[in-house]
Amino acid sequence: DAGVIQSPRHEVTEMGQEVTLRCKPISGHDYLFWYRQTMMRGLELLIYFNNNVPIDDSGMPEDRFSAKMPNASFSTLKIQPSEPRDSAVYFCASSFEEWSRNTIYFGEGSWLTVV
Amino acid sequence: AQRVTQPEKLLSVFKGAPVELKCNYSYSGSPELFWYVQYSRQRLQLLLRHISRESIKGFTADLNKGETSFHLKKPFAQEEDSAMYYCALGAGSYQLTFGKGTKLSVIP
Repeated sequence: DAGVIQSPRHEVTEMGQEVTLRCKPISGHDYLFWYRQTMMRGLELLIYFNNNVPIDDSGMPEDRFSAKMPNASFSTLKIQPSEPRDSAVYFCASSFEEWSRNTIYFGEGSWLTVV
Repeated sequence: AQRVTQPEKLLSVFKGAPVELKCNYSYSGSPELFWYVQYSRQRLQLLLRHISRESIKGFTADLNKGETSFHLKKPFAQEEDSAMYYCALGAGSYQLTFGKGTKLSVIP
């Protein structure tokens, strides 16, 4: 398996533009997580899904952020409109049930810069 | 609510010196503790978990429930150990709470 696949790897966009980040979890994993990493705040959980259903979105910063998982092999994180303070690395991760006996697998991240 | 504290943002040690990366947690139940490592511009990957009581790349970590700590240790640091290290707490639900991370820099 190629692991968790994220795209784009790098994106530079202007303030006010819409940004869409994509994620393909590991096949067979039924949990999907979106994390944001910044120097100031470290790694923060934004939202996670179980069997394509959003379970906890309390980490989503504000209404400008939205996430969807239309099927078991694809998820998106959208920011509209984007702002410079959204600049960060966004990680997608997936895991199999009984995560405590397995692990959460991370993608390589999407490096977002909003200018 | 659960919380993970890594008091050091940056830790610099000389090659061959012992390393200890501190992690303290706050959780009222029975915790699952993990260490994740992120090498430069790469994905986070699991280093070790307390339930396995294993040693990976020379690193060990012991869960101390009395002190609510899960410090990561290695007796002799290597240059390839330079990375970002995150302590994480699993607490009942299907997610992990991460600390803010400690950047380990091993000086040749």
